[in-house]
Amino acid sequence: GQNIDQPTEMTATEGAIVQINCTYQTSGFNGLFWYQQHAGEAPTFLSYNVLDGLEEKGRFSSFLSRSKGYSYLLLKELQMKDSASYLCAVRDRNYGQNFVFGPGTRLSVLP
Amino acid sequence: DTGVSQNPRHKITKRGQNVTFRCDPISEHNRLYWYRQTLGQGPEFLTYFQNEAQLEKSRLLSDRFSAERPKGSFSTLEIQRTEQGDSAMYLCASSLSEANYGYTFGSGTRLTVV
Repeated sequence: GQNIDQPTEMTATEGAIVQINCTYQTSGFNGLFWYQQHAGEAPTFLSYNVLDGLEEKGRFSSFLSRSKGYSYLLLKELQMKDSASYLCAVRDRNYGQNFVFGPGTRLSVLP
Repeated sequence: DTGVSQNPRHKITKRGQNVTFRCDPISEHNRLYWYRQTLGQGPEFLTYFQNEAQLEKSRLLSDRFSAERPKGSFSTLEIQRTEQGDSAMYLCASSLSEANYGYTFGSGTRLTVV
């Protein structure tokens, strides 16, 4: 089966940097995705890693280590609008190429 | 095309009633997925279609649940004899095959069973 862990909640200050960690166990790893979800809204795609290393997209970066089953999402220059849940999702080729989502990390950005 | 559309946005029903939700995916996307999400949790996979073929169903999808995508375009998800435990947000998403840019999700249908 699959097991994905993330911290439940995090708090950070506007303008700061925050790192949201995700650990996973899966037998047919085929990519790790990060989504942002504001309360009551649909998840929106943020980033994708399939090879080890760092992928940077503006204020957001995502890192993957396949040997450690570990990823993180790094958010820089935090803004109030970044307050949301951040979902880590793993695509598993033994699971029909579908995503298995973690429980999400609720981030609160304070002024 | 304005993205993935789901109807209705909200549904309140009495226990034991049947409900049906509709999803209209992005027109050029051949894959369509249904997920369920409860408060404070990540989405849980229910089923997915490639064109009109239903290729996988989760064990979460009991025999009270059925999904169709008759012409490979829109899809419906029906829940028969609803139970209070069915209360959740039902999310639809679509993608091209082997999408490396994730899914595009709809805004969801929030079901409340009273």
